[in-house]
Amino acid sequence: DSGVTQTPKHLITATGQRVTLRCSPRSGDLSVYWYQQSLDQGLQFLIHYYNGEERAKGNILERFSAQQFPDLHSELNLSSLELGDSALYFCASSYGGLGSYEQYFGPGTRLTVT
Amino acid sequence: SQKIEQNSEALNIQEGKTATLTCNYTNYSPAYLQWYRQDPGRGPVFLLLIRENEKEKRKERLKVTFDTTLKQSLFHITASQPADSATYLCALDIPLYSGGGADGLTFGKGTHLIIQP
Repeated sequence: DSGVTQTPKHLITATGQRVTLRCSPRSGDLSVYWYQQSLDQGLQFLIHYYNGEERAKGNILERFSAQQFPDLHSELNLSSLELGDSALYFCASSYGGLGSYEQYFGPGTRLTVT
Repeated sequence: SQKIEQNSEALNIQEGKTATLTCNYTNYSPAYLQWYRQDPGRGPVFLLLIRENEKEKRKERLKVTFDTTLKQSLFHITASQPADSATYLCALDIPLYSGGGADGLTFGKGTHLIIQP
């Protein structure tokens, strides 16, 4: 158990809909990262928050947004969903925001768009 | 842009032998390199971190080397077991502004390791 929790574990929804994925980092960790992993694809970095502030964006679509709350949990909002958004979405946390810190991944949310 | 190369083909190793996985990178010189294990449908799990001034790091049956001249890291699992079968990812601290794929860490696509009983 990494100490990172993600809800829900599975989500099935229709195209055009909007969903919210939730992540609670390990106790004491200030950074939250969101990644998307499609079948046979590597981890695609979406966005990084550090202590409530957005720190960096990767290949995140405009239809996607995220935020980190004062209690450090984070939410990833996906809207106008398309079939191609079906993937595993992971959040990871670390104490710092640099590459010197290991990242702890949650169990992921499997999103299926039908 | 930065490139992290890991063997895309699966690596089949006989149980009890040493498995060696390779991670090569180009251009940027990272100060840190990390290895993760990922099982199907699960999140990656941190295994080892090695700094640029460390040549080798060990943890139980795992050993990592980091050759900044060759721009290569080798990940070894000795006395391999079927339970070691998984995908192994290397990750480097290549900043986005240097062509990295992510903030914090840039991950390779991983090598799928299969340990045959």
